Amino acid sequence: GAGVSQTPSNKVTEKGKYVELRCDPISGHTALYWYRQSLGQGPEFLIYFQGTGAADDSGLPNDRFFAVRPEGSVSTLKIQRTERGDSAVYLCASSKIAGALGELFFGEGSRLTVL
Amino acid sequence: EDKVVQSPLSLVVHEGDTVTLNCSYEVTNFRSLLWYKQEKKAPTFLFMLTSSGIEKKSGRLSSILDKKELFSILNITATQTGDSAVYLCAVEDGRSGGGADGLTFGKGTHLIIQP
Repeated sequence: GAGVSQTPSNKVTEKGKYVELRCDPISGHTALYWYRQSLGQGPEFLIYFQGTGAADDSGLPNDRFFAVRPEGSVSTLKIQRTERGDSAVYLCASSKIAGALGELFFGEGSRLTVL
Repeated sequence: EDKVVQSPLSLVVHEGDTVTLNCSYEVTNFRSLLWYKQEKKAPTFLFMLTSSGIEKKSGRLSSILDKKELFSILNITATQTGDSAVYLCAVEDGRSGGGADGLTFGKGTHLIIQP
């Protein structure tokens, strides 16, 4: 696609529910990143994919968070048993070459609100 | 742990003024420093800096890096209302290589340009 596409743009859920956030990167981009941005904060790294595999998931806050990228393109971030503290904008970014962070393109984000 | 501190956190100026935004950092194995502009949701890339003392320039925006003192500045001259945004500074740590760990962002400087 022309840019990084994220869906849904807004998601409101109740505490304890399961949510999935989807990211469709720019076509041909091998590297994909998930970040989380809380109000008044900079984006916080969650996980990085190089192709289909998670090259670094050290930023995932706990085992309720999981992400997949089964075919090396679209990625899904999954959050189980959501908590109010999970409320944030979840940003996805991609780059053509792994490690070329200067060429990182961000999506518009998915705003998650946990009531 | 990598650390990025931006100042000021917010700034209000009048159209036509010149502003200087500051970013100081601590990183284990510095690879690059990046500046992004975030107007609504998606951060957009401005500059990537890797070498000290070499100014990067794009129109009214310019940036420079000091690797000895561990800081960077972003200058905007003849500001316009369209420059109003959050400006994010981020550092890339090359200790893991290949883009792992992604970027460490500061909290950003919220810049408001009044007409």
